[in-house]
Amino acid sequence: DTGVSQDPRHKITKRGQNVTFRCDPISEHNRLYWYRQTLGQGPEFLTYFQNEAQLEKSRLLSDRFSAERPKGSFSTLEIQRTEQGDSAMYLCASSIAGHQTDTQYFGPGTRLTVL
Amino acid sequence: AQSVTQLDSQVPVFEEAPVELRCNYSSSVSVYLFWYVQYPNQGLQLLLKYLSGSTLVKGINGFEAEFNKSQTSFHLRKPSVHISDTAEYFCAVSDRYGGATNKLIFGTGTLLAVQP
Repeated sequence: DTGVSQDPRHKITKRGQNVTFRCDPISEHNRLYWYRQTLGQGPEFLTYFQNEAQLEKSRLLSDRFSAERPKGSFSTLEIQRTEQGDSAMYLCASSIAGHQTDTQYFGPGTRLTVL
Repeated sequence: AQSVTQLDSQVPVFEEAPVELRCNYSSSVSVYLFWYVQYPNQGLQLLLKYLSGSTLVKGINGFEAEFNKSQTSFHLRKPSVHISDTAEYFCAVSDRYGGATNKLIFGTGTLLAVQP
């Protein structure tokens, strides 16, 4: 069991550019979550997948954000036309539905800096 | 709506001293409770969780927490801290009957700064 992995670990981009992050959950985990963590704050929920279905999106997730999990395994989070306010750590977590109330295991995160 | 309050943004403590990190929550429904630790530039690691049963929960690295329903608290304790415990600690809740999502609601975190 290799844990949740995220790629890249760091991304620096210029305002207005598009960026895409990838998350590989723990194998056989059918639930996948994205959170965003800004400096000095706790993580905030963005969106959630069960298998390939995106079942909930936070209102934090503006229309510039899109997430996919096409085959129910890895997931991507894309941000279009990045803004400086998008600078944050983007965390991915995975869990097994119904197993110990879906205890979530987190990846190392992708730190985005928008210049 | 649920919320989590961690009143102490930073807790300085000397090595080998005991420590308590406070967490209070607000919820109109029954909740599950979690403590996560975050080391610099890393993701979150689960320390311990309260699901049901005994209100005293033991976790990794010698940490424990006690669920107090009447006080709506879930304080984290360790009898003797080490330098390596220096990190950010987050308390989180999820709705016990949250349907499909079980998303976590986090507090703002407490920085535990262990000094020699």
